[in-house]
Amino acid sequence: EVQLVESGGGLVQPGRSLRLSCTASGFTFGDYAMSWVRQAPGKGLEWVGFIRSKAYGGTTEYAASVKGRFTISRDDSKSIAYLQMNSLKTEDTAVYYCTVEFDYWGQGTLVTVSS
Amino acid sequence: DVVMTQSPLSLPVTLGQPASISCRSSQSLVYSDGNTYLNWFQQRPGQSPRRLIYKVSNRDSGVPDRFSGSGSGTDFTLKISRVEAEDVGVYYCMQGTHLFTFGPGTKVDIK
Repeated sequence: EVQLVESGGGLVQPGRSLRLSCTASGFTFGDYAMSWVRQAPGKGLEWVGFIRSKAYGGTTEYAASVKGRFTISRDDSKSIAYLQMNSLKTEDTAVYYCTVEFDYWGQGTLVTVSS
Repeated sequence: DVVMTQSPLSLPVTLGQPASISCRSSQSLVYSDGNTYLNWFQQRPGQSPRRLIYKVSNRDSGVPDRFSGSGSGTDFTLKISRVEAEDVGVYYCMQGTHLFTFGPGTKVDIK
């Protein structure tokens, strides 16, 4: 059974950093691209970025709203994808989901950026 | 950047009746490999999104056959043949041809 578990969310002040983790199981993690999607309170879904599998270079792509501030990485030996969020803004407040192929999703982790 | 629009944004439906949601993209979603990467997602209240349809018209495993997707190029449609109570939620289209972009969502509830 495929499982994705996000962790690392919480309350953080504007301008600070936070790292989210997505721990995967039930599939060969290294074979798949991993994406992050967020949802601000009461709002719709927003794609944040993704990281390709090593077979496709392990390269990353980001939404314009987070490019230069957020970094996605992966540790295939641990089956974990990371979302490093720097220079956080109040508008980054959202539930952050990880997803594999948009087919399986985690339960999400809430990030609140507030002073 | 590709902009996705949906209509209507709110859709009150009668149980047992059909429902239809339109999704339009600002650019053609036909990829260089010939595929059209247009997906539909359902998000029930308090739950994570769930993909229903991929590549325009392919139902995901376990998705009831009352859900169907159609369209081409820039115009796409999700249809529910007979709405059931469990279909209440927000429906999103998402393009995956030019990176990824979600539509604004259509809230489906029961009249």
